[in-house]
Amino acid sequence: LAKTTQPISMDSYEGQEVNITCSHNNIATNDYITWYQQFPSQGPRFIIQGYKTKVTNEVASLFIPADRKSSTLSLPRVSLSDTAVYYCLVGDPISVSGTASKLTFGTGTRLQVTL
Amino acid sequence: DAGVTQSPTHLIKTRGQQVTLRCSPKSGHDTVSWYQQALGQGPQFIFQYYEEEERQRGNFPDRFSGHQFPNYSSELNVNALLLGDSALYLCASTRADPTYEQYFGPGTRLTVT
Repeated sequence: LAKTTQPISMDSYEGQEVNITCSHNNIATNDYITWYQQFPSQGPRFIIQGYKTKVTNEVASLFIPADRKSSTLSLPRVSLSDTAVYYCLVGDPISVSGTASKLTFGTGTRLQVTL
Repeated sequence: DAGVTQSPTHLIKTRGQQVTLRCSPKSGHDTVSWYQQALGQGPQFIFQYYEEEERQRGNFPDRFSGHQFPNYSSELNVNALLLGDSALYLCASTRADPTYEQYFGPGTRLTVT
């Protein structure tokens, strides 16, 4: 599984755009990049997933350069409720057993949003 | 749609005891995974069940076992509890296809004293 590196923590003011970058130098051809958000004492929540270029949904954008060795999660106009831990995961969606692949979480990035 | 549900919410056990945690997957999902999350750490994969069989396993001892029922719900059993087993236990469900998105339940907070 590709190892990921993220900043341990980030601070932002409400209303700003936040970009969290994840490094994954040994990403494999079949690997997808997925981001999860987790609030204290809750299960992680899927934010966005991509393979290459740019993906956008109603809550975030994911930028992936051509070499795919890094990715950037972009959160537009964050609010206090975006204060959480954000995890970058890299892996093949289907394991060798033909089932959904296990998720390998790192320690994540702790985002603190203030007024 | 109720999403992934887990029971109980909280649990306190004594060292050496056994515990069973339960999970009901999101409607339409057939694959269930269990994760252990210690305080301040990311979730660690325990094992995954599909078609009532354990398909993948993480680096956890045999004291951790599981089961999946025909309705896709699942149980996690932990025997001979240790203080270090205190954690948030998360259940995640998905479909066995390239969608890949896993939905997590709220977790069960286990405290071993």
